[in-house]
Amino acid sequence: ILNVEQSPQSLHVQEGDSTNFTCSFPSSNFYALHWYRWETAKSPEALFVMTLNGDEKKKGRISATLNTKEGYSYLYIKGSQPEDSATYLCAGTGAGGTSYGKLTFGQGTILTVHP
Amino acid sequence: DVKVTQSSRYLVKRTGEKVFLECVQDMDHENMFWYRQDPGLGLRLIYFSYDVKMKEKGDIPEGYSVSREKKERFSLILESASTNQTSMYLCASSSYSGLAVPANTGELFFGEGSRLTVL
Repeated sequence: ILNVEQSPQSLHVQEGDSTNFTCSFPSSNFYALHWYRWETAKSPEALFVMTLNGDEKKKGRISATLNTKEGYSYLYIKGSQPEDSATYLCAGTGAGGTSYGKLTFGQGTILTVHP
Repeated sequence: DVKVTQSSRYLVKRTGEKVFLECVQDMDHENMFWYRQDPGLGLRLIYFSYDVKMKEKGDIPEGYSVSREKKERFSLILESASTNQTSMYLCASSSYSGLAVPANTGELFFGEGSRLTVL
């Protein structure tokens, strides 16, 4: 089992603040790192999928970086808005022939943005 | 618009009942998954399937079984429901083939979840 840890477990910020959270994973046997956003009463949706060390991806005000050598990824939200309130899930998949895209999820970070 | 549909959003069952949770995807994905989500524990994989009639145990398969008779449909079965199976159940699908192709990295598409309460 790929052990994926997220921190913090929850975060409260004011509208307009920038924030970031962390996902850590074992650097050996790593293949891909995923970030998902899960809004209340909706399905989780993929934000980013990253595979290469040094990868940086951006979608609007949200960006993510990946360091496979040290085993961590950061998710950044610039100028948080109330609609960014959600649970952010990180998931990793290992290399190896029979993994079939099997993702192991971290516990999630619950973000609440206060107006 | 791609879609993963779970048959029931909310279910209430009694201890010992047999429970079926159905999931259908319209993306022709090879892989399908059942996760459960509990507070503080994140998503935990129960079972997954990478082809019709093929299944693999995930991290917490005890008390569950699955069925995949058709590519688009993956069912989770609780043979005899217990109170510790009260949870949110999420179905997902992906097209990841197991090959190391960067463009095929297994993004999951999720259903909206089924919240099961076992009394």
